[in-house]
Amino acid sequence: GQSLEQPSEVTAVEGAIVQINCTYQTSGFYGLSWYQQHDGGAPTFLSYNALDGLEETGRFSSFLSRSDSYGYLLLQELQMKDSASYFCAALYNTDKLIFGTGTRLQVFP
Amino acid sequence: NAGVTQTPKFQVLKTGQSMTLQCAQDMNHNSMYWYRQDPGMGLRLIYYSASEGTTDKGEVPNGYNVSRLNKREFSLRLESAAPSQTSVYFCASTGPNEKLFFGSGTQLSVL
Repeated sequence: GQSLEQPSEVTAVEGAIVQINCTYQTSGFYGLSWYQQHDGGAPTFLSYNALDGLEETGRFSSFLSRSDSYGYLLLQELQMKDSASYFCAALYNTDKLIFGTGTRLQVFP
Repeated sequence: NAGVTQTPKFQVLKTGQSMTLQCAQDMNHNSMYWYRQDPGMGLRLIYYSASEGTTDKGEVPNGYNVSRLNKREFSLRLESAAPSQTSVYFCASTGPNEKLFFGSGTQLSVL
């Protein structure tokens, strides 16, 4: 099947940098997205990588290595409001979009 | 601009009852999706539709059916609800740069 693996939980302090890794299945893979979800809310889009390399959007950056079937989300200058769950999602052929297991990020003062 | 609208927001069913979750998007997107999310878990794909007139099974399709009525609407039907289908259901559609827009979710309890 097409499963994605992420760490279940990450903790950090305000102002720190944290990296959330994601590994995916390669068969039919097109690209990797990242989503943020606060408790009780719907997921919101953060980024999408179709090509190898780093995409930067403000404090958040996302990286993809197709040869390693691996990507990561980098969150810089952490703020309390960044406490949330973060999901990677892989787009496969026929437009199938599969989500990872999710990483719960807790930011402490 | 409403985005993705799904109804109802909350529903309680008895085992064996049927219901349809409605979803509509006004962004002219081709692809639409139904996911379920159990407490503390990730989103699991139930069914998706890459374009009007086509539907495909996702990771957990058993017990569900879908209809892509037109480009705007994608409904999810539970023919005979079971307690294992208690979950939060999200409808979504894909825009430019593969950005997924989500509805606000439906909290379903099956007793």
